[in-house]
Amino acid sequence: AQSVTQLGSHVSVSEGALVLLRCNYSSSVPPYLFWYVQYPNQGLQLLLKYTSAATLVKGINGFEAEFKKSETSFHLTKPSAHMSDAAEYFCAVRTPNTGNQFYFGTGTSLTVIP
Amino acid sequence: EAGVAQSPRYKIIEKRQSVAFWCNPISGHATLYWYQQILGQGPKLLIQFQNNGVVDDSQLPKDRFSAERLKGVDSTLKIQPAKLEDSAVYLCASNRGAGGAETQYFGPGTRLLVL
Repeated sequence: AQSVTQLGSHVSVSEGALVLLRCNYSSSVPPYLFWYVQYPNQGLQLLLKYTSAATLVKGINGFEAEFKKSETSFHLTKPSAHMSDAAEYFCAVRTPNTGNQFYFGTGTSLTVIP
Repeated sequence: EAGVAQSPRYKIIEKRQSVAFWCNPISGHATLYWYQQILGQGPKLLIQFQNNGVVDDSQLPKDRFSAERLKGVDSTLKIQPAKLEDSAVYLCASNRGAGGAETQYFGPGTRLLVL
């Protein structure tokens, strides 16, 4: 079965500091991996996705993530945090052998300290 | 391009009452999903439609939840009767086809509070 683990339900960083949000997945077949962001009282918005092309994926708002098969990880990073990055972040895995259903992690709440 | 539309945005009901949510996906999107997001958790798939057919409803509590997608466009999700534990945000999402690499586009959600 597919699953996603997001280590750290809450992460706090100072404005201008590196953002690192962790995501590890479990999948028996090559997965598609996604990061979504959710602002208060809004739906989820795609940040970036890995679809078996380049392992380093660049997304919107300066975020990027690297697919590491050996570590079964897809961590999200941003070199310099901005106040507007404060939100909930979800990692999700999707595989063809499960009907392409999305499996979401439990989310990481990012706080940016001025 | 208009996004996924959902209504109502908020709903408060008492337990044992019924409630219905509506979703209009992005035009041309064949696949539609309903998710339940309980506070502090990630979204959990309730049901997936491909056009007007059900692809996956294995996690839908069928004794109280029902969903339909008439004509393969709009969809409604109904809860009858509601329980306290149904308090959550109900998200609708859509994508164009059934490919695994496709992006799902989410609506703003309907926040349900059951008292």
